[in-house]
Amino acid sequence: GAVVSQHPSWVICKSGTSVKIECRSLDFQATTMFWYRQFPKQSLMLMATSNEGSKATYEQGVEKDKFLINHASLTLSTLTVTSAHPEDSSFYICSARESGSRGGTDTQYFGPGTRLTVL
Amino acid sequence: QKEVEQDPGPLSVPEGAIVSLNCTYSNSAFQYFMWYRQYSRKGPELLMYTYSSGNKEDGRFTAQVDKSSKYISLFIRDSQPSDSATYLCAMRTTGNQFYFGTGTSLTVIP
Repeated sequence: GAVVSQHPSWVICKSGTSVKIECRSLDFQATTMFWYRQFPKQSLMLMATSNEGSKATYEQGVEKDKFLINHASLTLSTLTVTSAHPEDSSFYICSARESGSRGGTDTQYFGPGTRLTVL
Repeated sequence: QKEVEQDPGPLSVPEGAIVSLNCTYSNSAFQYFMWYRQYSRKGPELLMYTYSSGNKEDGRFTAQVDKSSKYISLFIRDSQPSDSATYLCAMRTTGNQFYFGTGTSLTVIP
């Protein structure tokens, strides 16, 4: 159980275009989802926390107009990188928090990540 | 001072060795402790989850928590080349704030 999927796994786009990344919790409902960015050989950097049905909370230094997050349902959150530029090239990872109400671990389960390359 | 401190390594051991990975923390509000394994270009995978002081064993992995010393460890017995990855410690408060260590890169040499 507690599987999180991400789509696409790898995307290459031209500078100036927008890219949408989907994050789904496949076998549990996730009231909270997190979006991270990771540069090579570096740790996870939390970008934003999204709660179903409400606006995302962005970490300091993360542009909310550039990284649009929508958490429309208990199993789906999307991250849209608008007007992407080469410096946005990175590994984007989502995670979903499984509530402990079902006796779960109430921890984060991560998706496999999406590698974004902006040319 | 960071909330969670983790030696980034890299750590290199021969196959079959016992590996010890550690994190220290400063926030007494951390009550839940996790270890994740991340292979290159993959998302982190939850390995161990614990919320009490003491040891928790799962196969070749043992998670140890010492709340009095604010210190957690992950031990890997009979290490295998397939254990080569980055290991992240993570901690959560009762208020559901998560903090991650920077990760320790481990290489197990055949």
